[in-house]
This record gives sequence, structure tokens and C-alpha cells, in this order.
Amino acid sequence: GPKVLQIPSHQIIDMGQMVTLNCDPVSNHLYFYWYKQILGQQMEFLVNFYNGKVMEKSKLFKDQFSVERPDGSYFTLKIQPTALEDSAVYFCASSSGGGTEVFFGKGTRLTVV
Amino acid sequence: QQQVRQSSQSLTVWEGETAILNCSYENSAFDYFPWYQQFPGEGPALLIAIRSVSDKKEDGRFTIFFNKREKNLSLHIKDSQPGDSATYFCAASLTNTGKLTFGDGTVLTVKP
Repeated sequence: GPKVLQIPSHQIIDMGQMVTLNCDPVSNHLYFYWYKQILGQQMEFLVNFYNGKVMEKSKLFKDQFSVERPDGSYFTLKIQPTALEDSAVYFCASSSGGGTEVFFGKGTRLTVV
Repeated sequence: QQQVRQSSQSLTVWEGETAILNCSYENSAFDYFPWYQQFPGEGPALLIAIRSVSDKKEDGRFTIFFNKREKNLSLHIKDSQPGDSATYFCAASLTNTGKLTFGDGTVLTVKP
């Protein structure tokens, strides 16, 4: 079936450094999402993105976070600077529209030390 | 206040039994309710979904029962198999946004 690819699968980074998480969404999908899952806890919405713009973001989407998808390439989540509490698994997802199936990647496990 | 709640953190059933996972929600405007299955180290995968205009959706061994008035729904897994052991997330969204609000998940264990 359709796949969302996330690169890398694991990332360890020093607190205060910048990190970019990459996502290759399902081709021809138009809506893109980032979710955050802390180990053993629920999946929490961070942001959704459509037509080059952020549509909605949650209170977890701090000022240090940004997203973009330049020219149909990777959909990225950048955190600058990182903080210890940013350690989590970040899932990228995409869909063809609202109320349609949302496909998730396998996640990037981010560890901030 | 948590918008989507799953009543059990964990559930254990024997192989062949029906597993019932319960979910409730707060926002009466939610109109799309998918259930996701997640295995360790994997992303969530859509199992089955229902829209608020329906009260039942069946797909093979999986059935969603939906009660709009009570704002709750349940996932029934018939003839449970050990391979069904996973975490199941109830989610809800508004069709026009696509943003999913997840419950905390129920860890299902099916014993052979």
C-alpha cells in the first residue's frame, strides 16, 4: 500500500542544536501532518500543512518548530534549538483530503541529550 | 479535558474470543472516527473507520459500533488471533481539517 517514508529512523542530538526530520509523503497527497508520541503515551497532533501553508498547529508546536515542503521535496520538521523535552517519536503523515485515510510513517525517534 | 478517551489501558483475551475496545469523545462536531493499530517500532496503520452518519461499520473480523447520542463507540475484534496483539488507538476528526485527535490507546494481548 501507500507508504510514508521518514528519514532518519533515529537521531541523537545535543540540546541546543538544530535538527531536521525528513518525510517523504505518499505521492499525490496534499495534506501533511506531524504528530509527537512520547514513549507509552498518546499520539499528539503538532501541525498540519496544505498548499504550502500551516493550516493549524497545536500548543505543542513551539516557536522553535517550523515546517516546510520546498518544491515538492521532503516535508520537513525543523527544531531549532532543541530542548530535552523534545525527545519523542515524531510521526509524519499524509492524506489526500480531510476525512480521508491518513497514512503514517514509521516515525523518527529523536533523543536530545 | 481529554477530547478522546479509551476506557481501558490494556485488555487481555484468549484466542478465538471477541475483544471489545471502548472509546468516548467530547466534541459533538467530530464526524470521522478511525481506529488505528500500532505494532512496536511501527507507525499507526488504519484498521477501520466510521463516519458519524452510520451506526455500524464492518470489515471482516472488525466491527465498529457507533452511538452518536451517547458520544461513544466500540471496536469489536471477532475470533481474536495472537497476531492481533498490538496497541489500538481510537481517533476522531472533523472532516474538513483532517487533524486527528487520538485516545491514549489500548494494549491488546491475545493469548493462544
